[in-house]
Amino acid sequence: DAGVIQSPRHEVTEMGQEVTLRCKPISGHNSLFWYRQTMMRGLELLIYFNNNVPIDDSGMPEDRFSAKMPNASFSTLKIQPSEPRDSAVYFCASSLRALGTQYFGPGTRLLVL
Amino acid sequence: AQSVTQPDIHITVSEGASLELRCNYSYGATPYLFWYVQSPGQGLQLLLKYFSGDTLVQGIKGFEAEFKRSQSSFNLRKPSVHWSDAAEYFCAVASNTGNQFYFGTGTSLTVIP
Repeated sequence: DAGVIQSPRHEVTEMGQEVTLRCKPISGHNSLFWYRQTMMRGLELLIYFNNNVPIDDSGMPEDRFSAKMPNASFSTLKIQPSEPRDSAVYFCASSLRALGTQYFGPGTRLLVL
Repeated sequence: AQSVTQPDIHITVSEGASLELRCNYSYGATPYLFWYVQSPGQGLQLLLKYFSGDTLVQGIKGFEAEFKRSQSSFNLRKPSVHWSDAAEYFCAVASNTGNQFYFGTGTSLTVIP
């Protein structure tokens, strides 16, 4: 298995632009997680899907952030409009079930200028 | 509310020495506990997890952790550290419903020859 796939690996954009991060979970996994990691705030859970349904989005910072999971093999995290404080590494992880081992993707390094 | 505390931001040990990384949690019921490791530029990898049963849990790479309910702790240990263990270590707690996950702020481990 290829593991969790994230794209792009790096993204540099200007403030105000829309940013879309993509994730392909491991085939057969029912749970998908989006995390943000920064030096200041550490690793934060943004949103969590189970069977394509958002279960907990309390970690989503504000309305500029949105996440979708249209099917079991694809999820997106969108930031519109982006701001410099959104600069971080965004990780996607998937697991067989909610409390199973989470397998992390390599992350997307986002820099908003 | 749940929370995870890793009191040590950074630890330095000599290669071959023993290691203990501290983790304290706050949760009303029996939590589900995890230790993850993150190598530079990589996503997180699960070392071990505790759900129930034996309070001493064995993980990969020679790591173990002990759940102590009376101390609300889940410390990670390794009897002899290798240079390749240098990384960031995260403790995490999940609710027993699987709806919420919280990560600690991480402990950075440096291994010196």
